Amino acid sequence: DAGVTQSPTHLIKTRGQQVTLRCSPKSGHDTVSWYQQALGQGPQFIFQYYEEEERQRGNFPDRFSGHQFPNYSSELNVNALLLGDSALYLCASSLPTGGAGETQYFGPGTRLLVL
Amino acid sequence: AQTVTQSQPEMSVQEAETVTLSCTYDTSESDYYLFWYKQPPSRQMILVIRQEAYKQQNATENRFSVNFQKAAKSFSLKISDSQLGDAAMYFCANKAAGNKLTFGGGTRVLVKP
Repeated sequence: DAGVTQSPTHLIKTRGQQVTLRCSPKSGHDTVSWYQQALGQGPQFIFQYYEEEERQRGNFPDRFSGHQFPNYSSELNVNALLLGDSALYLCASSLPTGGAGETQYFGPGTRLLVL
Repeated sequence: AQTVTQSQPEMSVQEAETVTLSCTYDTSESDYYLFWYKQPPSRQMILVIRQEAYKQQNATENRFSVNFQKAAKSFSLKISDSQLGDAAMYFCANKAAGNKLTFGGGTRVLVKP
């Protein structure tokens, strides 16, 4: 049973560039959430996708956008990169019940460095 | 808004001993769940244990157990018989309906052989 996968594992960009990160959910899951984890901190919720639509969004600017495909995989796009966008980006998948009890399963993350 | 606070940046424990990690939270929701996640160095975040807020009985998973004090909004994690593989960052998290996880800042656990 494949778990959550993310690509690439590492990425180096320069300020002002754009980046796309990818996530494939765990088998049987169709809800994908994205988190940003700065060094030494806990993850911060960016947004969640379900049925190809953004269902919930955290306190992140519009430079952060996403997409979910019919096969439930998802992309996170960040435009006009800032130095402060350097972080580990985590993808998590879950079942679609929407209840509080659904466990989210995390991928290994993509480490983004902005120079 | 939900908040989660972990007041211990780092805890050290001798192998085979017990360590307790603290977590307090604040929420206005009546239906919510609490989680402890483990994040080993450069490795994937994995679920350690979860607790339903409506259950009074504390959750247990092998060597991991929680002390859930709902009125005090406290949710501590006890690791018994600590092993070298327990060394990691541990994050406490809260989730109400809507699937957004709110994390604390984490506690680093060091295990001494």
